[in-house]
Amino acid sequence: SAVISQKPSRDICQRGTSLTIQCQVDSQVTMMFWYRQQPGQSLTLIATANQGSEATYESGFVIDKFPISRPNLTFSTLTVSNMSPEDSSIYLCSGADGSAQHFGDGTRLSIL
Amino acid sequence: GENVEQHPSTLSVQEGDSAVIKCTYSDSASNYFPWYKQELGKRPQLIIDIRSNVGEKKDQRIAVTLNKTAKHFSLHITETQPEDSAVYFCAASIQGAQKLVFGQGTRLTINP
Repeated sequence: SAVISQKPSRDICQRGTSLTIQCQVDSQVTMMFWYRQQPGQSLTLIATANQGSEATYESGFVIDKFPISRPNLTFSTLTVSNMSPEDSSIYLCSGADGSAQHFGDGTRLSIL
Repeated sequence: GENVEQHPSTLSVQEGDSAVIKCTYSDSASNYFPWYKQELGKRPQLIIDIRSNVGEKKDQRIAVTLNKTAKHFSLHITETQPEDSAVYFCAASIQGAQKLVFGQGTRLTINP
C-alpha cells in the first residue's frame, strides 16, 4: 500500500496567520484527499485534491479558507488560512489507488 | 448525501471474547465499506474492507458482513487481545475507495 508522509507533524500558530501542510505519497495514486479530525471525533472530508486543477470542496469548506494544490500525482498541500482557535484540529491527508485509501500520520494544529 | 451511523460509541469486552460493531448507511448506491483502526495519536489504519458484491469477508480474527437490503454492515473481532484496544471507524463510499463518509467511531477496550 502507498506510504503517505505529512509535514509538519504538529504546529502551534497565532490566530490570523496561515499554515501550509505538505503531503507526499511514495507511489502514484489516483486520488488524494484532505480530512479534518477534531479531538476525540470522527474524520470529515474537506476536499478532493485534483491534479493540475482546482480542488473539489465538501459542503462547509471553501477554497478561500482551505486552498489546496496538487501539482503532480504524488504531492499535495493544504493551507489553513486566517486561522482561529476553531481551526485547532488534526488534518489528515490520504491517497487512494483505486482499491483502498490510506492515511498519513496527520498534522496536529493548535491555534493560540 | 451519504450518512453513516455507528454503534456502540464505546465497547468493553473481556480478553478472548468477541466484539461486534455495527454501522448503517443511508445511500443505497454505496458500494465500498472499509473499516479503520486508530490507536491513540496514530493514523487510521485500514484493517478490512468489503464491496457491495460480497456478503462477508474474513481475515484471520476479523470479519465484516454486509446486508445491502437493510443497509448495514458489521465488524466482528474474535478472540480479542489487548492490542485490539483502539478506536474503530466504519466508512462508506459510492465511488469505491474514494470519497469516504465515516461513522462516529467506537472506542473498544479489551480488559485482561
